[in-house]
Amino acid sequence: GQQLNQSPQSMFIQEGEDVSMNCTSSSIFNTWLWYKQDPGEGPVLLIALYKAGELTSNGRLTAQFGITRKDSFLNISASIPSDVGIYFCAGRLNYGQNFVFGPGTRLSVLP
Amino acid sequence: EPEVTQTPSHQVTQMGQEVILRCVPISNHLYFYWYRQILGQKVEFLVSFYNNEISEKSEIFDDQFSVERPDGSNFTLKIRSTKLEDSAMYFCASRLRTRGLYEQYFGPGTRLTVT
Repeated sequence: GQQLNQSPQSMFIQEGEDVSMNCTSSSIFNTWLWYKQDPGEGPVLLIALYKAGELTSNGRLTAQFGITRKDSFLNISASIPSDVGIYFCAGRLNYGQNFVFGPGTRLSVLP
Repeated sequence: EPEVTQTPSHQVTQMGQEVILRCVPISNHLYFYWYRQILGQKVEFLVSFYNNEISEKSEIFDDQFSVERPDGSNFTLKIRSTKLEDSAMYFCASRLRTRGLYEQYFGPGTRLTVT
């Protein structure tokens, strides 16, 4: 089946730093969703992207739908301790409605 | 703010037993989903449901699994004869039926432990 790769797998940053992570695939996707998951909880939707090149913000978070439609990027500016968690990308292919999830990027924020 | 709810939060069962996981999707949503997440791994799609029937299902969703919307609010996942490898978090999700919008909202999950 289709695979999504996320990098980095994990990252440790200082509070206040900016964060960048990405999601890539060999397949073309028509929709990207970015989620954050805290331990023992369900994924929380952060941003949805629908068009190639689209740049969408949600507070300190900004996500982009890659021009090739095979990737997406998530940036977090001025990180704070509550940004700690696992960030998942999910992509929807040209057909169907279900999403393929990436393996996640684990973010740790050091005070 | 409306949210997806799931019960129970944790279910322990013996191998071979049947379990039913329950979800109440957001009230005006019409597409429903079940996902699972084995500990430490990614979220995996199981099944989508619309208009009282399955829209899509993955290879994981074999004959041991079934879904049902028994009334206007609940959406259930049944595992007929649980196996050890069914131990995972099971998430329900729902979305609006709005053309071109695919945002899925997840519940808090049910942790299933098969012993």
